[in-house]
Amino acid sequence: AQSVTQLGSHVSVSEGALVLLRCNYSSSVPPYLFWYVQYPNQGLQLLLKYTSAATLVKGINGFEAEFKKSETSFHLTKPSAHMSDAAEYFCAAYSSASKIIFGSGTRLSIRP
Amino acid sequence: EAEVAQSPRYKITEKSQAVAFWCDPISGHATLYWYRQILGQGPELLVQFQDESVVDDSQLPKDRFSAERLKGVDSTLKIQPAELGDSAMYLCASSLDRDRATEAFFGQGTRLTVV
Repeated sequence: AQSVTQLGSHVSVSEGALVLLRCNYSSSVPPYLFWYVQYPNQGLQLLLKYTSAATLVKGINGFEAEFKKSETSFHLTKPSAHMSDAAEYFCAAYSSASKIIFGSGTRLSIRP
Repeated sequence: EAEVAQSPRYKITEKSQAVAFWCDPISGHATLYWYRQILGQGPELLVQFQDESVVDDSQLPKDRFSAERLKGVDSTLKIQPAELGDSAMYLCASSLDRDRATEAFFGQGTRLTVV
């Protein structure tokens, strides 16, 4: 079955520390991948997308993600966390049925 | 900046009542999605439209849910009768077309509470 798996439902880092949110996709999913961010009681906002142009994708707010086909991974990183980064993050992919499927999400907390 | 509009933002309804949500996608976007998001989980696709046609409603509980996109522009999602388990965030999104490289843009969502 086509799926997107996010490892860790909750990640907590100190302000200024590296942020790493993990995402793996099933190999049957076409490699069109996205990261979205969601603030409380808000919709989802696109952070970045991979569409095979480059394996390292830069997004908004200083986030970037690297596509690794051999590992079927698309992890999200940010070198230095800011308090405003606290939110829920979702990895998503286009399925072969041309619909977007989402992972279960990772809640990012930032410690002062 | 163009946005996906949804209304209402919040809705409280009693069990067995009917409820409806409205979505106006970004102008020119042919594809429209309705997702349901239960607290603490990722969004789950309920229905996908391409213009006015339904292309995927495999996860839509058709005994109580219905969706339409007349004229291929705005859309309405209806629940009748509502059940306690329907309490969730209902998200509408749109994209230019079904091209896989096209991301979806989301509205603010409607938070439904069934009491």
